[in-house]
Parts: sequence; structure tokens; C-alpha cells
Amino acid sequence: NAGVTQTPKFQVLKTGQSMTLQCAQDMNHEYMSWYRQDPGMGLRLIHYSVGAGITDQGEVPNGYNVSRSTTEDFPLRLLSAAPSQTSVYFCASSYSIGGGDAGELFFGEGSRLTVL
Amino acid sequence: AQKVTQAQTEISVVEKEDVTLDCVYETRDTTYYLFWYKQPPSGELVFLIRRNSFDEQNEISGRYSWNFQKSTSSFNFTITASQVVDSAVYFCALSEALYDYKLSFGAGTTVTVRA
Repeated sequence: NAGVTQTPKFQVLKTGQSMTLQCAQDMNHEYMSWYRQDPGMGLRLIHYSVGAGITDQGEVPNGYNVSRSTTEDFPLRLLSAAPSQTSVYFCASSYSIGGGDAGELFFGEGSRLTVL
Repeated sequence: AQKVTQAQTEISVVEKEDVTLDCVYETRDTTYYLFWYKQPPSGELVFLIRRNSFDEQNEISGRYSWNFQKSTSSFNFTITASQVVDSAVYFCALSEALYDYKLSFGAGTTVTVRA
């Protein structure tokens, strides 16, 4: 059982380039999300999805795009990379919304992105 | 708006000492969840504990215990008899009950346990 898989683990971009961070989960989780982690700021929610075909913005969505065409995949697109998007990105999933497992997120290993 | 504050940036202890991590939160919701997550040096984030706002009973799970006080909006976490493997960044987080999948995280506290 692979859990949540993120690729790539490391990426260096030049300002203005675009790229996609891939996220896949094999646990049939309904909920998926993307967070960015910056020093001294904890994790901040970028976008999230409560099911295939449904996405919504989190706290810091500007400059990012997402789609959820299947239950398994939730890619994060950087449209035109900026140095402010240098960060570590985490994808997370959860197999239930509400109930006894509320808030128990399963995280990927992270993707470290540097924008020059 | 929700806010989670972890005032302690770094804590360094010697093995076997107890470590208490402070967490103060702000929310307008009457029902919510509080969490602690751990991020070891390898980088992955791991769920540790959850408490809902209706349950102020403090608990102990192995070497972990937590103290939830609604009156002071605090959710402190204690590691008893710390071990080197406890060295990690610990995050406190909060979510509304209706949107329990949307977590607001604190800035994290780095715990270093020295042998």
C-alpha cells in the first residue's frame, strides 16, 4: 500500500516557468488537499477537493491551479512560477469527512520547489 | 477566522526529561477539532492525536498526554520521558467541525532531544 505519492521530490524552476506537482493516493480517500510549508509559518492550505470533480480554494490559492478528475489523483499546477512560491509542498488525503476519523490526514513525503 | 499559536519556536531537552508543548487557538466556532501532528527529520507529517471541542477530558496515550482547556483556549501536549526519536517538529492544528478536513496549523515547535 503506497499511501500518498508525490512527484517530483525536488524541482528547480526559473521565474515564469510552469510545472505540475503530481499527487496520487491508493486508499480510495474522498478528500485531498495541498499545503505549502514555509519556515515560521507552519502549513497553509492551498487548494482542496472533497471528491472527484469538486475543488475549492484554501488560504493561499493565488498562482496555483488544481483539478480532480479521478478519486486517486490531485495535481497542483503552478501557472507562472515566482520566487515567493519557493516552498515545500505537501499533498494530503483523508478517507472520511466527519466522524471518528475527522482531521486525520495522510501526507505525502513532500516536494521541495525552488524558484530562481 | 481561525488561528493557532505555538509560542515556543524551539525546545531542547536531555533524554528522559518531560517536554510540554504549548498551543493556543482562536476560533468563533462552538464545535471544532484540535490536533497534534509530528514531522520527524525525514520530513513526513504524522497524525498523533485529535480532540473535539465537546470533550475536555485529558488523556494519556503511552508517553503522550494532552491538556485541553476550553476556558483558556489551550491544547498543550506533553511527551513524558523523552527519547532521541522524539526529536521532530510538532504542529498544533485546528479545524471547524463541519469542515474537519480543512486544518489550520500553527508555526510548529522544534523539539531536540539530546542523548
